[in-house]
Amino acid sequence: DAKTTQPNSMESNEEEPVHLPCNHSTISGTDYIHWYRQLPSQGPEYVIHGLTSNVNNRMASLAIAEDRKSSTLILHRATLRDAAVYYCILREESSGAGSYQLTFGKGTKLSVIP
Amino acid sequence: DAEITQSPRHKITETGRQVTLACHQTWNHNNMFWYRQDLGHGLRLIHYSYGVQDTNKGEVSDGYSVSRSNTEDLPLTLESAASSQTSVYFCASSRDLLNEQFFGPGTRLTVL
Repeated sequence: DAKTTQPNSMESNEEEPVHLPCNHSTISGTDYIHWYRQLPSQGPEYVIHGLTSNVNNRMASLAIAEDRKSSTLILHRATLRDAAVYYCILREESSGAGSYQLTFGKGTKLSVIP
Repeated sequence: DAEITQSPRHKITETGRQVTLACHQTWNHNNMFWYRQDLGHGLRLIHYSYGVQDTNKGEVSDGYSVSRSNTEDLPLTLESAASSQTSVYFCASSRDLLNEQFFGPGTRLTVL
């Protein structure tokens, strides 16, 4: 079963901020929250990740709820190039010592309107 | 610049044939992964490797095998291709398990 819940799709106007939500109510204390995105006809690319504190990088910001049961990826000014499927992923420890897998759900398809 | 490449980019084969998809990375990453992507399923993990001679099964490993004889390459083999294995296959690598995975451009495989 998927460990994260995201809306199937969202729309944003170009140059407006976008808030992409993700629910992960069963997150464990050692799970990191990762975000990837996939542009059309390309492989996924890393966006950002965090554990407890909010994180910023050149691509986006990640806001993590205090109870860690949800997070929000923030694109500060959406561009047409940001139209993609965005995946919220928990990095979990699988069976076997020291193994950490990324499990991709169906993601949120973001459309950017010019 | 370091990169991750996949070949071929497109492949059409027949049911029952053996097919091998290549993945090569020049980052010297220990960790490598194979995923498949189908409409309505997102990406699903097939096999992964944490280093030379190490291989592990992922969520959808039946009908697939991998081998890791060096750091740079993780070829994916379909022993006897089936129509259900028609998909887009992505290879990825990462420096360590806490860091990002870098994905290749994908291989579109069609099994007739």
